[in-house]
Amino acid sequence: NAGVTQTPKFRVLKTGQSMTLLCAQDMNHEYMYWYRQDPGMGLRLIHYSVGEGTTAKGEVPDGYNVSRLKKQNFLLGLESAAPSQTSVYFCASRRGSNQPQHFGDGTRLSIL
Amino acid sequence: SQELEQSPQSLIVQEGKNLTINCTSSKTLYGLYWYKQKYGEGLIFLMMLQKGGEEKSHEKITAKLDEKKQQSSLHITASQPSHAGIYLCGATLYLRRTYKYIFGTGTRLKVLA
Repeated sequence: NAGVTQTPKFRVLKTGQSMTLLCAQDMNHEYMYWYRQDPGMGLRLIHYSVGEGTTAKGEVPDGYNVSRLKKQNFLLGLESAAPSQTSVYFCASRRGSNQPQHFGDGTRLSIL
Repeated sequence: SQELEQSPQSLIVQEGKNLTINCTSSKTLYGLYWYKQKYGEGLIFLMMLQKGGEEKSHEKITAKLDEKKQQSSLHITASQPSHAGIYLCGATLYLRRTYKYIFGTGTRLKVLA
């Protein structure tokens, strides 16, 4: 059972470069989320989606964009990477608003 | 998140000892979730609590939601090295006129063999 799959697992970027993180879930979940996890800050919500074709801003959306063209995929884009975006990024999905989230294994991103 | 406080921030216990982690909010919790994160990995869902006074157990881990639905505790009985990791609570709260799903900052547990 794949669950939530994130690619890539690791990436090093230079300041100003762009990249896209991919999240795929095979559970037919409606809701999908992107978080970043930093020491002492816990999990902070970047963007989320409540269904195919919808996206919404979370707590820390600046510098990121997302798209949910297909129900199973949620993409997180960094248009111009900055060192402050060095973090571990987690994707999660859940079936409904009162259900637990299922997480991917994370993407470790370093911006030099 | 300041709306969801976890205590303690870190905990070191000897194998075989019991321990409790708390998750507290000043607002009503509409659904409380406990997760475990092993170092360098993603979060694994442990348990979900929704009703005041509810208690759930899985193996040696028991979670409770108090009657007022503003605090939850996670209790581990006879801890083992396999219990080591970061425990996070997540909750649905009504904040700023909407429901939000937020996480506590986590409790880092180390179990000494």
